[in-house]
Amino acid sequence: QKEVEQNSGPLSVPEGAIASLNCTYSDRGSQSFFWYRQYSGKSPELIMSIYSNGDKEDGRFTAQLNKASQYVSLLIRDSQPSDSATYLCAVEEGGGADGLTFGKGTHLIIQP
Amino acid sequence: SQTIHQWPATLVQPVGSPLSLECTVEGTSNPNLYWYRQAAGRGLQLLFYSVGIGQISSEVPQNLSASRPQDRQFILSSKKLLLSDSGFYLCAWSGGAYGYTFGSGTRLTVV
Repeated sequence: QKEVEQNSGPLSVPEGAIASLNCTYSDRGSQSFFWYRQYSGKSPELIMSIYSNGDKEDGRFTAQLNKASQYVSLLIRDSQPSDSATYLCAVEEGGGADGLTFGKGTHLIIQP
Repeated sequence: SQTIHQWPATLVQPVGSPLSLECTVEGTSNPNLYWYRQAAGRGLQLLFYSVGIGQISSEVPQNLSASRPQDRQFILSSKKLLLSDSGFYLCAWSGGAYGYTFGSGTRLTVV
């Protein structure tokens, strides 16, 4: 059974600092990796996708992937109060249309 | 641009009543479509997915069913709701490099 593990938190980070969110996955066949942000009562919105080992940067967000360690992370630089949300890690098996497997999410709190 | 519509936003239904949730996608053709459920304190659970009209795959045995009568329409149904069916139901579509995009969701409370 495919599993995606995240620390549920809450993770509390001061405003302006770097928030680091981590995720591990069990299926070595996973090829695509996603980070979603979900505000309370709202649907998830895609922040980052990453498909190959290394770092991928988009504005204040950096996704990191290490397939050998089955590890994905998300860094948020210059954290803002508006970044306070639950962050969901999701993985997809390569080439398939059979959906994403999600972790339970990490609740991030940015303290002003 | 692609958009996904999901309704209703909230629903309160008695135990044993039927259910029908609808999802439609605009701006794309032949999308892969998905129904997820997010129960309180739990992660997103994939319920059904569809790669084309009439093609439905079920991930979890349950009293729910799904149908895809048209290319961009995906329907989640139940003949008799259970208390355990309460949750946040999300429709999503995927297409190429855009990842998976979610609708706004339906919060279902079974009483």
